[in-house]
Amino acid sequence: SAVISQKPSRDICQRGTSLTIQCQVDSQVTMMFWYRQQPRQSLTLIATANQGSEATYESGFVIDKFPISRPNLTFSTLTVSNMSPEDSSIYLCSVEVPRQGYYEQYFGPGTRLTVT
Amino acid sequence: AQKVTQAQTEISVVEKEDVTLDCVYETRDTTYYLFWYKQPPSGELVFLIRRNSFDEQNEISGRYSWNFQKSTSSFNFTITASQVVDSAVYFCALSEARTSGSRLTFGEGTQLTVNP
Repeated sequence: SAVISQKPSRDICQRGTSLTIQCQVDSQVTMMFWYRQQPRQSLTLIATANQGSEATYESGFVIDKFPISRPNLTFSTLTVSNMSPEDSSIYLCSVEVPRQGYYEQYFGPGTRLTVT
Repeated sequence: AQKVTQAQTEISVVEKEDVTLDCVYETRDTTYYLFWYKQPPSGELVFLIRRNSFDEQNEISGRYSWNFQKSTSSFNFTITASQVVDSAVYFCALSEARTSGSRLTFGEGTQLTVNP
């Protein structure tokens, strides 16, 4: 398995500001993913971050709003830019680990963001 | 396109009752994976099970059991003799068979409340 940590665990931010969320994993992984979970909603994939290349964004998510960095094989950041109350969500990172011919996906503990 | 439907938004039971959480999926892939995750109030996603589309055998793990029926595109989850600690949001998810980077498609989740 993989042990994943996220910082901060939660934050309350004012609209118009930006927050950078960090994701650290205890082993080297190729693929990392960022998900958003709006209140009482399901998880939606924001983007896939492959080390050494630009992140790939899902429909409805753009780099200007959610810039992602992936400087090495154990770390990634997601920035939520120019925040509005609609950005209040749990943001989760996940990593992909090869397991017996399959790629298992493990999730971090999440970052609870409230925008006022 | 892939889709996962969890029609039960909320379920409330009394401790020791059995409860079944429904999951119906849509995919054009002939090979795919199905998952169940548990999200307790703390927010982290806990992996429960992964099932390959070729393997239709039901699985039991302690008080948990899963019924995979390819003919009806369903992957239902039963908790026997429920306990208060089972209270959580449960997500069913689907991914294509697995090359690196395949995304998980989540259902809307079912909030299970087990009352003492």
